[in-house]
Amino acid sequence: DAGVIQSPRHEVTEMGQEVTLRCKPISGHDYLFWYRQTMMRGLELLIYFNNNVPIDDSGMPEDRFSAKMPNASFSTLKIQPSEPRDSAVYFCASSLAGVDTGELFFGEGSRLTVL
Amino acid sequence: ILNVEQSPQSLHVQEGDSTNFTCSFPSSNFYALHWYRWETAKSPEALFVMTLNGDEKKKGRISATLNTKEGYSYLYIKGSQPEDSATYLCAQGGEYGNKLVFGAGTILRVKS
Repeated sequence: DAGVIQSPRHEVTEMGQEVTLRCKPISGHDYLFWYRQTMMRGLELLIYFNNNVPIDDSGMPEDRFSAKMPNASFSTLKIQPSEPRDSAVYFCASSLAGVDTGELFFGEGSRLTVL
Repeated sequence: ILNVEQSPQSLHVQEGDSTNFTCSFPSSNFYALHWYRWETAKSPEALFVMTLNGDEKKKGRISATLNTKEGYSYLYIKGSQPEDSATYLCAQGGEYGNKLVFGAGTILRVKS
């Protein structure tokens, strides 16, 4: 079975450019999560969706970040404009059920470098 | 805001040694406790999901216990092998529902 698929795996961009990260969750999973990994803050939740609906976006750093899930098999995380402090590894994860019973299945991550 | 703490930060053991790590979390509004193993250049993989006080789970040489009243979970590895080298993360879901808060992890290195 295919796991969670993220693209691109690596992205290097200039400050001010728009960045779009993509995620395909495991088929049938009702929950999708976007996490950011940095040395300083570890793994922090940015936003999560249930049945394509954003439930909690309190972790989104600021208005430059936006996420969408137009259908059950696709989600995007967009940063516009990007800044050097956005450099991090962004993980997408999906789960069949809520975290009281469902483990998270992580993608391989998208490593973003903003110069 | 939940504060999940893990100790030790890192651990070096010899092949064959047994080891354990601690995950501490606020005991109020407990919802679920997850353990993940994260190997270098890969993505985190789930080991256990625990919800009940006194839960004990086992997968091969790895086991975990949960005490929700005092706010801690232990992860045990029996007879460590070099392939156990990884970062072990715990995460708690609390009053914020499906918002899992991760600890900083324990880095384990097993020398052969």
